[in-house]
Amino acid sequence: DAKTTQPPSMDCAEGRAANLPCNHSTISGNEYVYWYRQIHSQGPQYIIHGLKNNETNEMASLIITEDRKSSTLILPHATLRDTAVYYCIVRAGDKIIQGAQKLVFGQGTRLTINP
Amino acid sequence: NAGVMQNPRHLVRRRGQEARLRCSPMKGHSHVYWYRQLPEEGLKFMVYLQKENIIDESGMPKERFSAEFPKEGPSILRIQQVVRGDSAAYFCASSPPHALSSYNEQFFGPGTRLTVL
Repeated sequence: DAKTTQPPSMDCAEGRAANLPCNHSTISGNEYVYWYRQIHSQGPQYIIHGLKNNETNEMASLIITEDRKSSTLILPHATLRDTAVYYCIVRAGDKIIQGAQKLVFGQGTRLTINP
Repeated sequence: NAGVMQNPRHLVRRRGQEARLRCSPMKGHSHVYWYRQLPEEGLKFMVYLQKENIIDESGMPKERFSAEFPKEGPSILRIQQVVRGDSAAYFCASSPPHALSSYNEQFFGPGTRLTVL
């Protein structure tokens, strides 16, 4: 799986948009970008994923650059409950590759939402 | 629809004892994954199982650790002769059969926190 690089920590004011960057310059054509978060020692929670197009769901938006070498997770109106460690993970989308199913977590970005 | 369940949530063992961690996947999910998170570290993949089969155990320590996912019942992660370095949070995740999922989203349980005295 391609390696990802994220800033170790970020702060954001409550109610503002939180923009979390991720670099994945060695991503290959069949690899997806996934985002998970872990709120204070709970189990990780899936947020969103994408291949090449921008994606949006009820939790967040994912912006992937045209060359796919970086992406940004956007939490449009951050709340205190969004304080967590956010993980950007790149993984093959081909389900039949053995081992492709595992998630390889880096150190993530520790996002703190301030009141 | 209940989520992934893990029990016990907290487990204390003395050095040399055995630890058994259980994971019940979400209804309809046939794939189970185990991850370990050491204190102040990120999650590390351990093993991926389907019903009655180990698919990928590349993250499992070579000794003392084993995992199973029987046809009936929960998945079990077993640690024999525990040592203090085994103290960690152990998370289980599940995903639906490939035919029902286009992107292998994994749903995580709340974890079991193992403390070895």
